[in-house]
Parts: sequence; structure tokens; C-alpha cells
Amino acid sequence: KAGVTQTPRYLIKTRGQQVTLSCSPISGHRSVSWYQQTPGQGLQFLFEYFSETQRNKGNFPGRFSGRQFSNSRSEMNVSTLELGDSALYLCASSWDYNEQFFGPGTRLTVL
Amino acid sequence: DQQVKQNSPSLSVQEGRISILNCDYTNSMFDYFLWYKKYPAEGPTFLISISSIKDKNEDGRFTVFLNKSAKHLSLHIVPSQPGDSAVYFCAATAPSTGANNLFFGTGTRLTVIP
Repeated sequence: KAGVTQTPRYLIKTRGQQVTLSCSPISGHRSVSWYQQTPGQGLQFLFEYFSETQRNKGNFPGRFSGRQFSNSRSEMNVSTLELGDSALYLCASSWDYNEQFFGPGTRLTVL
Repeated sequence: DQQVKQNSPSLSVQEGRISILNCDYTNSMFDYFLWYKKYPAEGPTFLISISSIKDKNEDGRFTVFLNKSAKHLSLHIVPSQPGDSAVYFCAATAPSTGANNLFFGTGTRLTVIP
């Protein structure tokens, strides 16, 4: 069974731009969650989508948004990028309320 | 406020010995706990989990112990192997409340010395 895939793996943007990251969950998994990892804040929850609906949201500004498609694939978008948005963005999928399996992440660098 | 804490940033163990990684949590609503292993620039790899209805779960060389009264869990790796060297994260969640988001500790870097 294929694991969680994320594209792109690396991304360089400049301040003020916007970015879209993509995640394909494990086949059959209906929940997709997004996390941000930074050296200062560690791993922090952004939001979760389940059956195309946002089920849960973390404490991030509205510049961070996401969506889920009918095939469970998910995208997250960050608008008006700031230097502090530089991080490893991780997507995780699960069937429902159980173990989450992570993708390799997208390394975003904001210059 | 850090709801999941791993107070030991690093741990070194000889190959073949036991590795014990510790984790404490503060939120009594947490009822499902997980351990992940992570290499740099990669996503966390799921290792083992435990529900709050249990106090122990075992999978091969990995055993997780949960002490609900102390709000403490630990991961035991026996025997430790050099390939176990990585950063280990403890995570907690509260599915009984309808939440599926994981709260992570800050990680413990395990080094297994050959």
C-alpha cells in the first residue's frame, strides 16, 4: 500500500507570495491533517479535514487555509507569506480517529 | 502552554541495552497516546500507540506503558539497535471529544552506541 505523498518536497518563495502544498493520503483514509514543524515551536497542528469538511482547526492565522477533495486528497494554502512561515509542513492521514501516518513533508523556505 | 512534555532532550544507550523514553502530559482529556520516530527532513514514522483503557501495549521490541494517575507514559526499546538512533516524539490526542489533532512533545534524541 502506498504511503502518504506530498508535493512539492522543497519550495522557495519570497515574502508576500502565496503557496499551495498538496497531499495524497493512504488509499482508504478519509482524514487528512496538516502540521507545521519549526525549530522554535516544534510540531504544531494546523487543521484536519474529514470527508471534505474541516473537522478541527489549530491556532494559526487565517492566512493558512486548506481544503479536501472528494478523493480525499488535500491542499493547504498560505497567503501573504512571512519569513516565520519557513518550516517543514507535514501531512498525515488516518482512517478516522486512530493512528496518523505522515508523509515526507514539504520544506518551505521564505526569503 | 506545552500539554505534552518530554523533559530529556537526549539519551545515549549502548547497543543491546534497554532504552527508556519518558513523556508527561497535563490534559486529562487525552485518552490516546502515540510514539513516533523521526529522522531529519522526513515525516514522523508511527511506532506504537496505547489507549487510556490499557496500561501496556507491546509490539516486538517496543513497549509503551501508561500511568494515567501520574499522567505519564514511557517507551521501552529492548534490545536497542544502532538503527534506532533518531528523534522520538510522544503525541497525545482526545478522540473521545471529537478531536483528532495530535499534541506533540518536543522530542528526545536517542543515540544507540555500537
